[in-house]
Amino acid sequence: KNEVEQSPQNLTAQEGEFITINCSYSVGISALHWLQQHPGGGIVSLFMLSSGKKKHGRLIATINIQEKHSSLHITASHPRDSAVYICAVPSHNTDKLIFGTGTRLQVFP
Amino acid sequence: DTAVSQTPKYLVTQMGNDKSIKCEQNLGHDTMYWYKQDSKKFLKIMFSYNNKELIINETVPNRFSPKSPDKAHLNLHINSLELGDSAVYFCASSQDPGRTGYGYTFGSGTRLTVV
Repeated sequence: KNEVEQSPQNLTAQEGEFITINCSYSVGISALHWLQQHPGGGIVSLFMLSSGKKKHGRLIATINIQEKHSSLHITASHPRDSAVYICAVPSHNTDKLIFGTGTRLQVFP
Repeated sequence: DTAVSQTPKYLVTQMGNDKSIKCEQNLGHDTMYWYKQDSKKFLKIMFSYNNKELIINETVPNRFSPKSPDKAHLNLHINSLELGDSAVYFCASSQDPGRTGYGYTFGSGTRLTVV
């Protein structure tokens, strides 16, 4: 079992829909990262959070440390949001990242 | 003005060859990493360097040798390439994210194909 699990693995949505991607982890962490991998392959760091909630534009990330769970929400989704979203956590108090398997999101117009 | 730049973007080579991938960051970060993304798109750490010192060395064949001439550069040299080395390799950097709260910045990746 992977130490970082994401769901769903694949997600399709119509433009404008509210999207939620979930991440659960089994290790103790200091922070959790959400990354976005574009269809062209490039990876962008979206959020790093250790508690509560962060917002950037239409993206919102929340984390519940006690439940070892984080969610990434996209409001008013748009086709350009189509990408793979990856959750990652540092391992054992190091900055070595353990990655989830990713969620492939496709938003159709 | 690219923050983390990797070269080359694509690399096609024959089995048995030796090749290098270069990475440079202009962010002033202390830590640099190499990650491998396999055919199933799963990312895994290979190495990390902090201020030219090797910090993380995962179970990677010793045909892979990272070299950090200074804290802005982390190159990856691969000897005797094998078919299974075909993957996308990502370089990344961070400024001690555990303490400062900063995230990671990734390079655009190098797609290595061994034929």
